[in-house]
Amino acid sequence: SQELEQSPQSLIVQEGKNLTINCTSSKTLYGLYWYKQKYGEGLIFLMMLQKGGEEKSHEKITAKLDEKKQQSSLHITASQPSHAGIYLCGADYSPVFGKGTRLSVIA
Amino acid sequence: GAVVSQHPSRVICKSGTSVKIECRSLDFQATTMFWYRQFPKQSLMLMATSNEGSKATYEQGVEKDKFLINHASLTLSTLTVTSAHPEDSSFYICSARDGQGGVDTQYFGPGTRLTVL
Repeated sequence: SQELEQSPQSLIVQEGKNLTINCTSSKTLYGLYWYKQKYGEGLIFLMMLQKGGEEKSHEKITAKLDEKKQQSSLHITASQPSHAGIYLCGADYSPVFGKGTRLSVIA
Repeated sequence: GAVVSQHPSRVICKSGTSVKIECRSLDFQATTMFWYRQFPKQSLMLMATSNEGSKATYEQGVEKDKFLINHASLTLSTLTVTSAHPEDSSFYICSARDGQGGVDTQYFGPGTRLTVL
């Protein structure tokens, strides 16, 4: 069974709207990584979360790890076309990934 | 579903030797393959993008003479760690891009754990 579940699988939002992507682990996370992949390109590391309740931001992208360290959410504020791509969460029990969320931003 | 294999899955070598890691797409043609490395408890870091029949594109800070990449066919890319040193010990993962039939999906290999003594 998939140890890392991501939702939604795909998302289409209008430019300027906020959105959230979730990642749920079946195991306690001691390191949760968020990556972005632009279509046809390699994965780009966005941020890592380690502590329960930790929140980090990278430009307009904010990610948080819950207190129980089994769920993380990635939030994009005022989405732009440049945010389009596939977002993947990864766990410290590598090389496990979620199946990814395909984000499209419509102008 | 599509499968990407890596060989070997684990290798231990002496300092100064070279190690070759193979990445194969088993049931699709991959015009593009990617190589990543991951240190313990750290994120995956993209090392290079490998296009079939052309030179690989390396990310900033990755030594191209140290990490030789050859994408000789549409199903095989190799990463050679030349004159390996203990600091090269890491987990190396490849992925292959399937861009045919309107699909654009990346499939990951299971990784190769390199230990340099």
